Amino acid sequence: GAVVSQHPSWVICKSGTSVKIECRSLDFQATTMFWYRQFPKQSLMLMATSNEGSKATYEQGVEKDKFLINHASLTLSTLTVTSAHPEDSSFYICSARDDRAQFYGYTFGSGTRLTVV
Amino acid sequence: AQSVTQLGSHVSVSEGALVLLRCNYSSSVPPYLFWYVQYPNQGLQLLLKYTSAATLVKGINGFEAEFKKSETSFHLTKPSAHMSDAAEYFCAVTSTGTASKLTFGTGTRLQVTL
Repeated sequence: GAVVSQHPSWVICKSGTSVKIECRSLDFQATTMFWYRQFPKQSLMLMATSNEGSKATYEQGVEKDKFLINHASLTLSTLTVTSAHPEDSSFYICSARDDRAQFYGYTFGSGTRLTVV
Repeated sequence: AQSVTQLGSHVSVSEGALVLLRCNYSSSVPPYLFWYVQYPNQGLQLLLKYTSAATLVKGINGFEAEFKKSETSFHLTKPSAHMSDAAEYFCAVTSTGTASKLTFGTGTRLQVTL
């Protein structure tokens, strides 16, 4: 089945530093990937839609200069949290949409727990 | 616009009992509907999906869901709960008119007791 690899699974960083999270589709091509943020005991909040070869589309209220998204290939999207602060601590999850299944081929990564100290 | 509503943020059942998790959707165009399960500190795993084929959809781990257009529902069921079913369950919807974004419900935490 379709597999999405997300790394790292957890990271601790100091305030003011940047952290990069990778999302990679292992056995399918994904022109479109999605980045979510999840607060404890809450649902997933879509942050942005990442499109290969073009700029990401950010949801309202999401700072694009803080959450940089790069989708340089059909199998890799990265999310960089720049100048991280404690309030950025959260669980981040990516999802890749299989190009062969446009409306139902969503596979999720295992998530990244970010703690900013 | 599209949305899903999950009734009951917390459901508790005894091991061996029927599991019923409710999901109602709203969509102006034919929807694609999904149920996902999330274990602590993990991503989402697809249980099953409705893609306009059969209205009764069978998924993994003995779960199934029935698409009922007249009731705008897509409830998740399992005849007999197992301790390993304890997790968070999310219903989600997308459609052809939404740039393929998934919209999630608020989730239902399933507790299974002995």
